[in-house]
Amino acid sequence: GAGVSQSPSNKVTEKGKDVELRCDPISGHTALYWYRQSLGQGLEFLIYFQGNSAPDKSGLPSDRFSAERTGGSVSTLTIQRTQQEDSAVYLCASSAQGRLAGNEQFFGPGTRLTVL
Amino acid sequence: DAKTTQPPSMDCAEGRAANLPCNHSTISGNEYVYWYRQIHSQGPQYIIHGLKNNETNEMASLIITEDRKSSTLILPHATLRDTAVYYCIVRGDPDYGNNRLAFGKGNQVVVIP
Repeated sequence: GAGVSQSPSNKVTEKGKDVELRCDPISGHTALYWYRQSLGQGLEFLIYFQGNSAPDKSGLPSDRFSAERTGGSVSTLTIQRTQQEDSAVYLCASSAQGRLAGNEQFFGPGTRLTVL
Repeated sequence: DAKTTQPPSMDCAEGRAANLPCNHSTISGNEYVYWYRQIHSQGPQYIIHGLKNNETNEMASLIITEDRKSSTLILPHATLRDTAVYYCIVRGDPDYGNNRLAFGKGNQVVVIP
């Protein structure tokens, strides 16, 4: 079956440009997460969507970062005026809801962002 | 704030059981222990989770001490494809609140032929 997909797989951009990263979660999963992973580091939580609830944006590092989830499915992470320190792999994950599901998070392959 | 302590790296022999330790001495009563792994250039993959009882699935076994302050992930017959960074994560009840995963640096496990 289809897993979590992300696009593009790689993105190279110039400092100051805006970028959009896309995540297609597993169909039926109500929860969606964005993380980022800098070189040699663990994953850093960015934002969490759960159904129709207001997203938890507490992990976004600055107001240049924003995300939306349309129709409870596809999500877009937008980084405005990119900086070199934004270079990282951006990972999206989704999970089903409910105790029996274990809330296991399924991760996509990530988008590698390089800001020159 | 990952709340867990793991060795930064370890080697294990192909075909042997790999025992991956994790300390979580500040774990609270309603917090679960989750294990994920990340193979190079891939997204993390769920392995197993538990609260206080030992758990087993097709990938691994999870042994949690009685005081719940530490646990061990056991890969019963390590293969070269098990080479990955393994993350031990403590998180709250998955039915309440944000289910974000707080990843630390993990344990870089290398399976040696």
